Amino acid sequence: DTGVSQDPRHKITKRGQNVTFRCDPISEHNRLYWYRQTLGQGPEFLTYFQNEAQLEKSRLLSDRFSAERPKGSFSTLEIQRTEQGDSAMYLCASSFIVVKDTEAFFGQGTRLTVV
Amino acid sequence: AQKVTQAQTEISVVEKEDVTLDCVYETRDTTYYLFWYKQPPSGELVFLIRRNSFDEQNEISGRYSWNFQKSTSSFNFTITASQVVDSAVYFCALTPYNTDKLIFGTGTRLQVFP
Repeated sequence: DTGVSQDPRHKITKRGQNVTFRCDPISEHNRLYWYRQTLGQGPEFLTYFQNEAQLEKSRLLSDRFSAERPKGSFSTLEIQRTEQGDSAMYLCASSFIVVKDTEAFFGQGTRLTVV
Repeated sequence: AQKVTQAQTEISVVEKEDVTLDCVYETRDTTYYLFWYKQPPSGELVFLIRRNSFDEQNEISGRYSWNFQKSTSSFNFTITASQVVDSAVYFCALTPYNTDKLIFGTGTRLQVFP
């Protein structure tokens, strides 16, 4: 297992289109997290899962965003009707237990550009 | 409010200099967790250290050391004898007690010149 994998690495889409990103966590990691990072800023929390259960979602997250983790393995993040403000790096992370008690392993991210 | 402030946007040093990255946090929780992560140009955040609010003991790991002071709500990070490979963006983060999310600061970009 080589770490957290995200696909695609880059995505360019036209405003109004839907996009979906995939994250494959480290196997046996129960926790999976999504963050968004814009240029010059720190990662901003979006949501996290314990196995297949979505435990917390940011209040800042628009209804256009939805995330799933079927079967508690990989996760998808979908953005509907994309806007230019959605342009950012979307980061996925996983951990074996709660992140406050251990380290989170991050993927290299998916860079989204909305034109 | 739960917040992390990294006032230093960018620091430039010459190799072998010591450098300290500042981190100030805000939380009303008595139990919380603090972290430092490194983001090299490749973009992948790398864990450096975790500290809980009850453990104020400073830690040293090779050239890295951390100074946690609850009295000033600070968790500063020092790199001794910096090297070019230390060039990256460094993030301080906070996890409050009742959640499992990381609240990141805006990061400090460290450039180490040969």
